Amino acid sequence: GAVVSQHPSRVICKSGTSVKIECRSLDFQATTMFWYRQFPKQSLMLMATSNEGSKATYEQGVEKDKFLINHASLTLSTLTVTSAHPEDSSFYICSAPPGLAGGIDTQYFGPGTRLTVL
Amino acid sequence: GEDVEQSLFLSVREGDSSVINCTYTDSSSTYLYWYKQEPGAGLQLLTYIFSNMDMKQDQRLTVLLNKKDKHLSLRIADTQTGDSAIYFCAEKGTGTASKLTFGTGTRLQVTL
Repeated sequence: GAVVSQHPSRVICKSGTSVKIECRSLDFQATTMFWYRQFPKQSLMLMATSNEGSKATYEQGVEKDKFLINHASLTLSTLTVTSAHPEDSSFYICSAPPGLAGGIDTQYFGPGTRLTVL
Repeated sequence: GEDVEQSLFLSVREGDSSVINCTYTDSSSTYLYWYKQEPGAGLQLLTYIFSNMDMKQDQRLTVLLNKKDKHLSLRIADTQTGDSAIYFCAEKGTGTASKLTFGTGTRLQVTL
């Protein structure tokens, strides 16, 4: 089945540093990928839609200069949290729709990245 | 905008059936999904139903959709301890690359 990977799975950084998270579709191409954020015991909140070859589309309230998204290829999207602060600590999850070639119209999710900012 | 609601917590005994409910507001939803999330992990697609269906059964899982009331439910038969997790319903509008809107999540606890 379709697989999406994320790297790293866990990162701890100091306040003020930038952190890059990678999302890869391993056996299918994804022109679109989605980035979500999940706080403890809460649902997933869509942050942005990553589009290969064009700018990402950000949801209302998400700072595009703080959460930089680059969809470098049909299998890779990156999310960079710039000048991270403790309030950015969260679980970040990406997903990608495999398209109807995947059998059903859905999204496959990465395993998530736990970001802790000290 | 879209709004998807679920009850927060459900506790059942091993071997009993679990029913997790979800209500949504977007009448243009094309697909509705159930995802399972275990602690510290991503989301695993459990099952889905197309909006023109009323029911779908897949082994221990039964999905019921009442489109008139915008109500979706997931029944897990013979619930096992390995079913303990958070369950999210999600709806999707038209278009292959449309975003998903997730419910608030229901934490299922299975006791012995």
